[in-house]
Amino acid sequence: DVKVTQSSRYLVKRTGEKVFLECVQDMDHENMFWYRQDPGLGLRLIYFSYDVKMKEKGDIPEGYSVSREKKERFSLILESASTNQTSMYLCASSSRRGRQPQHFGDGTRLSIL
Amino acid sequence: GQQLNQSPQSMFIQEGEDVSMNCTSSSIFNTWLWYKQDPGEGPVLLIALYKAGELTSNGRLTAQFGITRKDSFLNISASIPSDVGIYFCAGLSGGTSYGKLTFGQGTILTVHP
Repeated sequence: DVKVTQSSRYLVKRTGEKVFLECVQDMDHENMFWYRQDPGLGLRLIYFSYDVKMKEKGDIPEGYSVSREKKERFSLILESASTNQTSMYLCASSSRRGRQPQHFGDGTRLSIL
Repeated sequence: GQQLNQSPQSMFIQEGEDVSMNCTSSSIFNTWLWYKQDPGEGPVLLIALYKAGELTSNGRLTAQFGITRKDSFLNISASIPSDVGIYFCAGLSGGTSYGKLTFGQGTILTVHP
């Protein structure tokens, strides 16, 4: 089974802090994704990566950056956290081979105070 | 970014009833996926559909890939309380999409015992 592990289930940070969310997958997947999920807005793509050191903006990249130094790890960075970044953050990964579905982690519920 | 039109937005049903939900798009997809998200968890893949007209079952769940490639539906038969959650459809295009998915906004299912 595919395992996507997010480092924290719950996180509380203060406005202005730099926040790191980590995601690790164990299936040697090329593609990795970061989403945020808010009530009524569904899943919105922040950034994705299709290879080590490669990154592409999703639909809502403002206020975020990412890092992919190793194939199995994809980090989401909030450069200067703001209260409107309080949300559920989901990481996912998928294989580049064929039309493969994404597999999700359990999510990190982030609160910015 | 684009979203799929998923309906209904929410459903309140009695245990034992059947459930039907669907997704439509203005674009063609070559893969349709259905996910379920339990409260506080990440989405889990239920069914993947790869061919127009394909009908696939997974226990009490049945999903179909529309002939036009622009729609899909999910049926749940004889619902039980643990079916509670949010159900998402997702479409995957071919080509150089790097495995990016387009999601519906989700159907919130509540099952009364």
